Amino acid sequence: DTEVTQTPKHLVMGMTNKKSLKCEQHMGHRAMYWYKQKAKKPPELMFVYSYEKLSINESVPSRFSPECPNSSLLNLHLHALQPEDSALYLCASSQDRRPGGDQPQHFGDGTRLSIL
Amino acid sequence: KQEVTQIPAALSVPEGENLVLNCSFTDSAIYNLQWFRQDPGKGLTSLLLIQSSQREQTSGRLNASLDKSSGRSTLYIAASQPGDSATYLCAARQAGTALIFGKGTTLSVSS
Repeated sequence: DTEVTQTPKHLVMGMTNKKSLKCEQHMGHRAMYWYKQKAKKPPELMFVYSYEKLSINESVPSRFSPECPNSSLLNLHLHALQPEDSALYLCASSQDRRPGGDQPQHFGDGTRLSIL
Repeated sequence: KQEVTQIPAALSVPEGENLVLNCSFTDSAIYNLQWFRQDPGKGLTSLLLIQSSQREQTSGRLNASLDKSSGRSTLYIAASQPGDSATYLCAARQAGTALIFGKGTTLSVSS
């Protein structure tokens, strides 16, 4: 069982829908991350939050909107996505007290997103 | 820009064999290197993390080594089992960034 919980596990949505992915951890970690992973590719970083503040945005399109309402929760709001956005979205957390620290990252099982 | 490469891309071995997975990185200024396992359709499970000041880490049948000067890390799996079948990813961590992943090695262990 993973200590980082992601919901939903699967999501199918149309290009005009608005949905949200959720991530929760109770390990007291202050850094949280969103990664995107296409089939047979490695994960690619999207966003990093440190102490509930966005510290890294890897030039992600604005149709992806992250939110960190508190130290345990991380959301990814989705709107007007394209078929090429279909992927596994992974959330991770770490004990790092600053961006780009040296602590291990712990991953959730991901949300499998399909855009029709 | 850091690039992480894993060789081979795929590996098939019979049960019981010892094996080595390779990971190389172009920029030796890393904080640490982390090895993960990913089962199909699942998230990443952290196996071992080696800090830049360390040479190796061990967990059960797994041993990971790090040679910063040559830009290499290896993951050694002893006495492989069918349950070890998965994709193994290595990832380097540098200042101011999150993880930079290799493309992975897909391992198949036959009984």
